Amino acid sequence: EIVLTQSPGTLSLSPGERATLSCRASQSVNSASLAWYQQKPGQAPRLLLYGTSNRATGIPDRFTGSGSGTDFTLTISRLEPEDFAVYYCQQYGRPPFTFGPGTKVDIK
Amino acid sequence: QVQLQESGPGLVKPSQTLSLTCTVSGGSLGSGGYCWNWIRQPPGKGLEWIGCMTNSGTTYYHPSLRSRVAISADTSTNQFSLNLNSVTAADTAVYYCARDGLYWGQGTLVTVSS
Repeated sequence: EIVLTQSPGTLSLSPGERATLSCRASQSVNSASLAWYQQKPGQAPRLLLYGTSNRATGIPDRFTGSGSGTDFTLTISRLEPEDFAVYYCQQYGRPPFTFGPGTKVDIK
Repeated sequence: QVQLQESGPGLVKPSQTLSLTCTVSGGSLGSGGYCWNWIRQPPGKGLEWIGCMTNSGTTYYHPSLRSRVAISADTSTNQFSLNLNSVTAADTAVYYCARDGLYWGQGTLVTVSS
């Protein structure tokens, strides 16, 4: 089982600031099989990025993904009010398709 | 547009079986190289992948649940199902069905309690 670790657990930032979220895997992950999700309270997760860096339909370009091997990063270039949420990474290359524990981005 | 909708009891007694159904519209269970997933989220906690079934019928399960879980599909009704037996309070969660990561149901809360 590939274990994903996300850091930090909570990121306190102001609108307009840059957010950098980390996802580290216990084993190498195929970069074609790494996704990021955003979840707001009471809602299902929403796919942001798949294949490490490909934005899903309708996702603004302030969201970018990068990384390879065991280290992946989600960057939000300038936080908008609607970006304050919890973010999860997931690997879907090798079952079980595990999620990271999440990073909460909250308003400073 | 693919849409998914979970249905099933919101309350299950300990030691019994949790059974949920996901109804798919706007797409066919039997086509495409997708894995049809069940994912859960305990209150206030993170996402846990339970398992998935491909359109060819191959199933994958989380090792921690493998002895208690079964996912099946009925292509005639375009539904797939989750059965989780011997439930305890630790199985209380919002249960989601999803097609790959793009399409999700709204989720359904299942509480395990006597």
